[in-house]
Amino acid sequence: EVQLLESGGGLVQPGESLRLSCAASGFTFNIYFMNWVRQAPGKGPEWVSTISASGGTTYSADSVKGRLTISRDNSKNTLYLQMNSLRADDTAVYYCAKLDSSAYSFDSWGQGTLVTVSS
Amino acid sequence: QSALTQPPSASGSPGQSVTISCTGTSSDIGTYNYVSWYQQHPGKAPKLIIFEVSKRPSGVPDRFSGSKSGNSASLTVSGLQAEDEADYYCSSYAGSNNLGVFGTGTKVTVL
Repeated sequence: EVQLLESGGGLVQPGESLRLSCAASGFTFNIYFMNWVRQAPGKGPEWVSTISASGGTTYSADSVKGRLTISRDNSKNTLYLQMNSLRADDTAVYYCAKLDSSAYSFDSWGQGTLVTVSS
Repeated sequence: QSALTQPPSASGSPGQSVTISCTGTSSDIGTYNYVSWYQQHPGKAPKLIIFEVSKRPSGVPDRFSGSKSGNSASLTVSGLQAEDEADYYCSSYAGSNNLGVFGTGTKVTVL
């Protein structure tokens, strides 16, 4: 059974940094593209970033480029999101999601971790 | 890239059918057959229920079906059950700069 467990969320002030982690188990982590998808309170999900299986290629939404950086450690089966220069509009539940690359669908999701940016 | 447009709400009685529309553009739904639908219960993570327009993952009841025409897609839930009450989101691939543009969401109420 696929399991994705996010951690690292919390309350931070505008301009501060945070690093999210997602521990994966139940599947061969190093052959799948992985993603971060966020959902602001009362809103629909928003794709944030994707990383290739090897970690050599990343894709990010324009709204986060230069501030939020996805990475992975295949030896630890862990996905990361380094979040810098946080803004109030980054407030959301951040989900780690596994990508079905042949269908461009997010076929497994973690339970999410809440990031709140507020002074 | 703007969000895909969905009606805010839909409803039906148990056993009835409800259809949810999802309107995009020629840059997403109109070009790619990579439309997905997700079901989300309150406080839970989204769950994939339809991929590649009309395919169902293992374990998803065949009461859920999807289709696409032009720049729009639809999700139909037949034989509504109480547990189908949830928020539903469509999503489409829109190129390597946007691997998933999501819809605005539709809250389905089972009367």
